[in-house]
Amino acid sequence: SQQGEEDPQALSIQEGENATMNCSYKTSINNLQWYRQNSGRGLVHLILIRSNEREKHSGRLRVTLDTSKKSSSLLITASRAADTASYFCATADLSGGGADGLTFGKGTHLIIQP
Amino acid sequence: KAGVTQTPRYLIKTRGQQVTLSCSPISGHRSVSWYQQTPGQGLQFLFEYFSETQRNKGNFPGRFSGRQFSNSRSEMNVSTLELGDSALYLCASSFGQLQETQYFGPGTRLLVL
Repeated sequence: SQQGEEDPQALSIQEGENATMNCSYKTSINNLQWYRQNSGRGLVHLILIRSNEREKHSGRLRVTLDTSKKSSSLLITASRAADTASYFCATADLSGGGADGLTFGKGTHLIIQP
Repeated sequence: KAGVTQTPRYLIKTRGQQVTLSCSPISGHRSVSWYQQTPGQGLQFLFEYFSETQRNKGNFPGRFSGRQFSNSRSEMNVSTLELGDSALYLCASSFGQLQETQYFGPGTRLLVL
């Protein structure tokens, strides 16, 4: 299946700094979602941005979407130790009719240093 | 509302055995999807059930199967286990469409020896 790619694979920053991670995808999409996963646990939905939206905010999260470049970014402002987790972008391939389910990238592992 | 629950949380099996994992979706959700997560392959889609019918299926061998009951609870079965089946198996539910927000359970960690 076509997977998105998150960049960077790992990111370590100091508490209070902003963290930016990027996602690229390959297909036409209806929306793009970001999820967080704490070590070996289930995924938690963070935000969904539709293909006709360019930017969306939720608390300390800011997501942008550029469908012409097939890319998205997730910005976490004023990071906290509790933000330490892996972050995944996910898309559903419209042309596939859902056969691939949600396609996830490999994720960005974010470490917030106290 | 209670979240998605998965049982068991941890499981150890030996090669050749079979295993059944269970998932109870959020009340009112009719779509249940299953994913396999491994360090090497990441998150991969197994299949999706909606109203007791398999609606979508990923690229996994026939050893992986599932079903959904009338109360939307779902089970997945893996027969003739292989070492490579060791993984975190995640279940997710939503109201209807795969493209919607998915609500994930805590996962079942399967170790095949």
